[in-house]
Amino acid sequence: GENVEQHPSTLSVQEGDSAVIKCTYSDSASNYFPWYKQELGKGPQLIIDIRSNVGEKKDQRIAVTLNKTAKHFSLHITETQPEDSAVYFCAAKPEYGNKLVFGAGTILRVKS
Amino acid sequence: EAGVAQSPRYKIIEKRQSVAFWCNPISGHATLYWYQQILGQGPKLLIQFQNNGVVDDSQLPKDRFSAERLKGVDSTLKIQPAKLEDSAVYLCASSLGGQQPQHFGDGTRLSIL
Repeated sequence: GENVEQHPSTLSVQEGDSAVIKCTYSDSASNYFPWYKQELGKGPQLIIDIRSNVGEKKDQRIAVTLNKTAKHFSLHITETQPEDSAVYFCAAKPEYGNKLVFGAGTILRVKS
Repeated sequence: EAGVAQSPRYKIIEKRQSVAFWCNPISGHATLYWYQQILGQGPKLLIQFQNNGVVDDSQLPKDRFSAERLKGVDSTLKIQPAKLEDSAVYLCASSLGGQQPQHFGDGTRLSIL
């Protein structure tokens, strides 16, 4: 079955700097890759997603890139702000079925 | 639109007791998911419903966990009897299905004493 690995497990950046989180997946047939932000005591909130027929997607300060050949995808946050501090999860969806397989999460701390 | 509603928010029980969680998905979402999130880990799918039918329950510990979605809307997840390792946050999510995004509720935090 699908396996998703996420790095780093923790990331500290200075306010205004960029943050990059990387994930690799094992199933080459996976075709949908969402990113979720989870704040303390809250459920995961979808922040951006990308499908396998697209290499890059951007939404204001957030972008996701996908390299299907290498089977990895990355989240890029520019001009980080203290409110970006949270746990970020990547996920992958295999070709058949709607099940999402999540990475272990990255704790992002933005220092002001 | 209203989000996914879950209750209770917190539950503390002793091992071997039973517990039930409730979820109300976003209106019109045919697909409903229950995930288990152990502290420090990503969510893990327990069961997926399409309307009131089960699509995937391959990771549900069926000797102690059960779930139903009788009218294709609300759902309940039950644990009986609970074990210490069941301590986790139980998240409900819903979607329109297919490759449409899954939207999560805030979960029920279960502590087993």
